Amino acid sequence: NAGVTQTPKFRILKIGQSMTLQCTQDMNHNYMYWYRQDPGMGLKLIYYSVGAGITDKGEVPNGYNVSRSTTEDFPLRLELAAPSQTSVYFCASSLTGPTEAFFGQGTRLTVV
Amino acid sequence: GENVEQHPSTLSVQEGDSAVIKCTYSDSASNYFPWYKQELGKGPQLIIDIRSNVGEKKDQRIAVTLNKTAKHFSLHITETQPEDSAVYFCAAEPPPRTALIFGKGTTLSVSS
Repeated sequence: NAGVTQTPKFRILKIGQSMTLQCTQDMNHNYMYWYRQDPGMGLKLIYYSVGAGITDKGEVPNGYNVSRSTTEDFPLRLELAAPSQTSVYFCASSLTGPTEAFFGQGTRLTVV
Repeated sequence: GENVEQHPSTLSVQEGDSAVIKCTYSDSASNYFPWYKQELGKGPQLIIDIRSNVGEKKDQRIAVTLNKTAKHFSLHITETQPEDSAVYFCAAEPPPRTALIFGKGTTLSVSS
């Protein structure tokens, strides 16, 4: 019973590099989310998806892209990494709407 | 858009005491208010939630109260234990009910 799985757990990027944060869920949830968590700032929504093929921007989408080709997977792409993207990234999923959302363990990203 | 304010940012109590964390929200159309607990190095986990048609909800040592008129809700933890030490986040679900807006979190420390 894996729930929401995020990879990698840790990553160091150099400025200008790109990478993809992976997220997969095995609960057949329709809704999936990407949040970033900065110290003392709570969780800010980056992108969300209400089903395969449908994505939309959250509060802080600049510098990120997402895709949702399957129900299970919701990867987050960082192009041209910047120090401001240093953060802990959480993926979450829920069956219908944001109620009872399940979170992954997070990816700690450092951009140097 | 919705804004969720959470207080206090840190809270220290003795084992056995009660702890109260308060949140206010700005969008009167929000109707779902969850509380998440985040232990060190882990993702947030839902511990209790309340909908706007209910004034109070209890689950063992945890309770949440909601005042729709004043637009605030609170988490109450009774008989605190060291394992209650964590960061607690409140959140609200504003229209179009596709994602949660989180408060900045409260770090609760329970000393024995």
